[in-house]
Amino acid sequence: EVQLVESGGGLVQPGRSLRLSCATSGFTFDDYAMHWVRRAPGKGLEWVSGITWKNINMDYADSVKGRFTISRDNAKKSLYLQMNSLRVDDTALYYCAKGGGVGAAHFDYWGQGILVTVSP
Amino acid sequence: QLALTQSPSASASLGASVKLTCTLNSGHSDFAVAWHQQRPGTGPRYLMKLNSDGSHRRGDGIPDRFSGSSSGAERHLIISSLQSEDEADYYCQTWGTGIRVVFGGGTKLTVL
Repeated sequence: EVQLVESGGGLVQPGRSLRLSCATSGFTFDDYAMHWVRRAPGKGLEWVSGITWKNINMDYADSVKGRFTISRDNAKKSLYLQMNSLRVDDTALYYCAKGGGVGAAHFDYWGQGILVTVSP
Repeated sequence: QLALTQSPSASASLGASVKLTCTLNSGHSDFAVAWHQQRPGTGPRYLMKLNSDGSHRRGDGIPDRFSGSSSGAERHLIISSLQSEDEADYYCQTWGTGIRVVFGGGTKLTVL
């Protein structure tokens, strides 16, 4: 059974940092791209960042570029999102998602999400 | 710039069928999409990948009440025999040649 479990969320002040983790199991982690997606209150799903299977390529939404960094540890089967210079509008539920292939593709599994609240 | 458009809301009666539409922007009418369901308070769930020719493949455990069809730039999610548990937000997703992906704005489905 594929499982994606996010952790590391919480309440943080604007300008501070937070690191999200996504622990995975049930599939060959190395073989797939992985992504972070968020849903802000009252809004829809927003793709945040993605990373290909061998760390060859990463990309970010314009709203987080230069502040967030995605990474993965294939030995630990884990995905990470380092979030710096957090802003109030980064407040959202953050989801880890498994890609359906080595690069861009549909997402075929999702985590349950972790809440990040940025507030003074 | 790849983009997807969805109607913000839809409604249908218990036991009936409903068709939700996702439209690809100009120049991308041959792209595949994926459909995802998000019930209140839960993470999204992958429903299916839908190709431009209408062929589709459902995710693990997705009942065959969920099907898809395509017409030009439109990608449809069809839910038959509507149940109360189908009340949720539905998102389409597509992707290009890089790692970046795009979501539609989502459709909130109300089951009457």
